Amino acid sequence: EAQVTQNPRYLITVTGKKLTVTCSQNMNHEYMSWYRQDPGLGLRQIYYSMNVEVTDKGDVPEGYKVSRKEKRNFPLILESPSPNQTSLYFCASKASANTGELFFGEGSRLTVL
Amino acid sequence: AQSVSQHNHHVILSEAASLELGCNYSYGGTVNLFWYVQYPGQHLQLLLKYFSGDPLVKGIKGFEAEFIKSKFSFNLRKPSVQWSDTAEYFCAARHSGGYQKVTFGTGTKLQVIP
Repeated sequence: EAQVTQNPRYLITVTGKKLTVTCSQNMNHEYMSWYRQDPGLGLRQIYYSMNVEVTDKGDVPEGYKVSRKEKRNFPLILESPSPNQTSLYFCASKASANTGELFFGEGSRLTVL
Repeated sequence: AQSVSQHNHHVILSEAASLELGCNYSYGGTVNLFWYVQYPGQHLQLLLKYFSGDPLVKGIKGFEAEFIKSKFSFNLRKPSVQWSDTAEYFCAARHSGGYQKVTFGTGTKLQVIP
């Protein structure tokens, strides 16, 4: 089954404790992206990757890092989480950078105390 | 800057009522337009998309949307909503051709009352 898988789905952590949210897709998609969803703000793009070893900042990259060492994986790293990073995070992928339809993961709800 | 606006933040309807959710975009040139739906506790799923051709687009679950270029709009419609349509709906847009970012609206929460 074609899917985007994120882990963990739920996480409560404390300020400053490094964490990684993993994202994996099995559709051989070139393009992957991370979004955060906050009430009243919709989805905002954090980082995206057009292919292996190619990543770039989205609209709200501060406090986040990503890597794309393999085509299927695109982890989101919070080196020193802060409470304003409490949010619902979605990973998404699409076949290539210039195709339209995004496929989303199930979401990861992160709470930073 | 490119933007997508959804003016209805929260809509409450009774079952069988008709639905229209507004979406306006600020892009110039040729755009691709999308509506995504997020059911409670789930991820976003594509409802329908417009790339070119017939401006009236039909999607899944009886939804449709009409692209009106002169109004920069892509409103979502359904003639008769069901309780199971309770969800959050996101409009999204991107310039067509080459790589262009997909920009999302802020979403509209639809609550359908049985």
